[in-house]
Amino acid sequence: QSALTQPPSASGSPGQSVTISCTGSDSDIGSYSYVSWFQQLPDKAPKLILFEVNKRPTGVPDRFSGSKSGQTASLTVSGLRAEDEAVYYCCSYARVNNFLFGNGTKVTVL
Amino acid sequence: DVQLLESGGGSVQPGGSLTLSCVASGFTFDNHAMAWVRQAPGRGLEWVSSISSGTITYYADSMGGRFTISRDTSKGMLFLHLNSLRADDTAIYYCSKPRTNWPFDAFETWGRGTLVTVSS
Repeated sequence: QSALTQPPSASGSPGQSVTISCTGSDSDIGSYSYVSWFQQLPDKAPKLILFEVNKRPTGVPDRFSGSKSGQTASLTVSGLRAEDEAVYYCCSYARVNNFLFGNGTKVTVL
Repeated sequence: DVQLLESGGGSVQPGGSLTLSCVASGFTFDNHAMAWVRQAPGRGLEWVSSISSGTITYYADSMGGRFTISRDTSKGMLFLHLNSLRADDTAIYYCSKPRTNWPFDAFETWGRGTLVTVSS
């Protein structure tokens, strides 16, 4: 089963918002609200920033928000900061093969 | 604090085997499912395997039945035995703890990873 589809890159100036899409199918995002998002800084392990589409773990700023419509989930980072520059991955529970990750989106803060 | 510390990575020839270990601390290991996720150099994340708080195991189809996940609750350790290794198994292997005991919950905590390099 193929990875979830994310744009390879996104960018924004400090203070602006950036939205990243994550497109799957009826076998994953379209059927389940178990979508999570991870932030990976260079040479670091991934960090969970959203789970169950739009819930934030303790300590994650509310600048990070999520949504889902049909087969597509989205992550929005508002009030961009230099430290938000990272690669972001989506992940969904899937009927077949249990977990699917997106291919990652590199966010650049201009 | 919840901590996960992987070890056991290294260089191995194609066709070889390796066992990865993960020491867990800061939570009740017996009560939690655990997982392995890997990342090839410069590539994205890929789920490898999960294990319930008991002994129910789950594997990504793409691993081709070559890997075995297990746990030792008395030692608070998770293992991944890698067999018939191929060049495309070269990756950082992360140990991860899901948010809850449900094996398919979001990966909440990650270790630093251990690098496996398969090359002749």
